[in-house]
Parts: sequence; C-alpha cells; structure tokens
Amino acid sequence: DTGVSQDPRHKITKRGQNVTFRCDPISEHNRLYWYRQTLGQGPEFLTYFQNEAQLEKSRLLSDRFSAERPKGSFSTLEIQRTEQGDSAMYLCASSLGAGPDTQYFGPGTRLTVL
Amino acid sequence: AQTVTQSQPEMSVQEAETVTLSCTYDTSESDYYLFWYKQPPSRQMILVIRQEAYKQQNATENRFSVNFQKAAKSFSLKISDSQLGDAAMYFCAYRSDNNNDMRFGAGTRLTVKP
Repeated sequence: DTGVSQDPRHKITKRGQNVTFRCDPISEHNRLYWYRQTLGQGPEFLTYFQNEAQLEKSRLLSDRFSAERPKGSFSTLEIQRTEQGDSAMYLCASSLGAGPDTQYFGPGTRLTVL
Repeated sequence: AQTVTQSQPEMSVQEAETVTLSCTYDTSESDYYLFWYKQPPSRQMILVIRQEAYKQQNATENRFSVNFQKAAKSFSLKISDSQLGDAAMYFCAYRSDNNNDMRFGAGTRLTVKP
C-alpha cells in the first residue's frame, strides 16, 4: 500500500537557514496539498496543486515560503531564512480530485528551528 | 469565512462504552463536505468518516457514526464499543464544494480507559 510519503520526517535547523521538504502523493492522485500544524491545533491550509499548477495559496504562505510540483508528481516546500515561528509539523495530503475528494495525509515533517 | 469549532479539548471514555465528540461549523454555503479525521500519537492523520451536505442520511462506518444537523450546522461523531486503539486526537474538518481549502477544528483528545 503506497500512501503519501514525506521526507524528511524530522528536521532541525538554525534560524536563518533554508530548508526543503518533499512530498510524494498517492500515484493516481492529481491534487496535492500542504498544511502546517502547530502543537495542539488542527492543520492550517497553506497551498494546493492541481497537477503541476499551484491554484490556491493561503495568506499564511509568506514570501519566504515557496512550493513546487514540477511534473505533477512529487512536490517540494521550501522555507527560506527560517524563523523560530516556523517550527511546526508540515503535512502533505493528496486527493483524486473528484466528488467528496477525500484528502489522504502523509506522516508529516516536523521542523524545529533553533 | 468558514470556521470549525470543537468545544471539547479532551474527552475520555471507558473501553466498550460509547462517546460522542462535538463539532459545529459556520458557513453560508449550501454545498460542502464534512470529515472526521483521527490522528494517533506520533502517527499520521487518517480519515474516519465523511458526510456530503446534500445527503440527509447520516454516514456510518462500522463503530463510527455521525449526527449531521445541517440547519444547526452541527456534525458530531459517535464512537460505539470504544477500543483502546481509538485513543487519538480527533479533528473535524469542513470543505466547501467551491474550493479545496479544508478547514479544521482545534481537535478533541480522546482517552480510552481500560
């Protein structure tokens, strides 16, 4: 069973460094989502791709954040000049893009900015 | 803007008993989807059950059922015959039929006592 995978699972970095996370969606899913989850809270939507096109971006996604999905398969989320407030779990989800369009989540990447 | 409220930060239930988790949401739209997700400690989020707003019949998945009250904008989750493996954070989520920005509540931490 190949679900959504994310790499790395954990990342510790120093403030000001750049970090990049990768998400591999379920193979037949054409939609891919990024969320951020802080401790004790529900996930917050960051951005969404339909194939390779980035169609929605939350205002939470500051200029330091950029996401790509170059060939409509895997996606990367880069955070430049990390700040301590960026410490969170970054979740990726994918969906088929039809009907209820249930989103299936990956295990997340936990980022700690020192 | 759509918001999702889970008013119970923590709940506990005795093994084999029944527990109900509350969720209310705010929307002006008529077509949308509601979801309950389960997030076990240090594990990924998985879908428990979903409900299409246009369906009057409450969704059921084995021991999990919902009480969907569209007029009251209420979407509670009932877990019957609770098991130790049900212990987790439970998130209620809303998604409009017009976009893919899924909104989550803050979650309810469920403890199952043996």
